[in-house]
Amino acid sequence: GAVVSQHPSRVICKSGTSVKIECRSLDFQATTMFWYRQFPKQSLMLMATSNEGSKATYEQGVEKDKFLINHASLTLSTLTVTSAHPEDSSFYICSAYGSDPHNEQFFGPGTRLTVL
Amino acid sequence: LAKTTQPISMDSYEGQEVNITCSHNNIATNDYITWYQQFPSQGPRFIIQGYKTKVTNEVASLFIPADRKSSTLSLPRVSLSDTAVYYCLVGGGGANNLFFGTGTRLTVIP
Repeated sequence: GAVVSQHPSRVICKSGTSVKIECRSLDFQATTMFWYRQFPKQSLMLMATSNEGSKATYEQGVEKDKFLINHASLTLSTLTVTSAHPEDSSFYICSAYGSDPHNEQFFGPGTRLTVL
Repeated sequence: LAKTTQPISMDSYEGQEVNITCSHNNIATNDYITWYQQFPSQGPRFIIQGYKTKVTNEVASLFIPADRKSSTLSLPRVSLSDTAVYYCLVGGGGANNLFFGTGTRLTVIP
C-alpha cells in the first residue's frame, strides 16, 4: 500500500510560537491531502482539504489564519499552527488517497502537539 | 453525507469472533462502506471496503445486507493486538469519504 509520512512525530512548544508539521506521500503523488485533528478519546475531525497548487478548503469552524496549509508539491503538504495555545494541543493526522481501486485513505502516523 | 452509528465500545475474549455493526440508513446509491482500525497515537489503517453482499480479505469480512442500511465487520478469532478503535465510513470515495463517526472501541480480554 501507499505510504504517508509525517514529521515531526512529536513536538512540544511554548504558547505563542508557531509549529510546522509536514506530510509527505512517499511512493505516490497526491494532488489532494487531508488534515485531521484528534483530541484524546475522540474521533478524527476533518480540518481541511489541501490542494496542490491552490488554496486549502477549510471545514466550518476551523480558522484558516491559524492553521495555515501549503501544498507545495504533489508529495508534500504542510500544516502550520500559528501562535499556538494550549487548547491547540492535539494529535494531528494527514492523509491522502492513493491510486488504487479501494478508494482508501492512507494515513500518516500522526503528530502529537503539546503547547505549554 | 451518510451518517454512521456504531456501538461506542465492545469487549471480547481472545479467540472469539467479533462482529461490529454500523448503521447507515441514508447511504447513497454510489456510496461504499469502508472500515478503518486505529491504535492509540497512530493514524487509522484501512481494513476492508465493500459495496454489497460480502467481502473477505486476510484480516476481516464485511457483510452488507441487500438494503445496505447497515454493515457488519467480522474479525475472526481476535487476539489482544486487535484491541483498537474501529471506524465505519460511508461515502463515494475521494472527498466524499472523509468524515469519521464515533467509532467502536474494542477491548480484547485475555
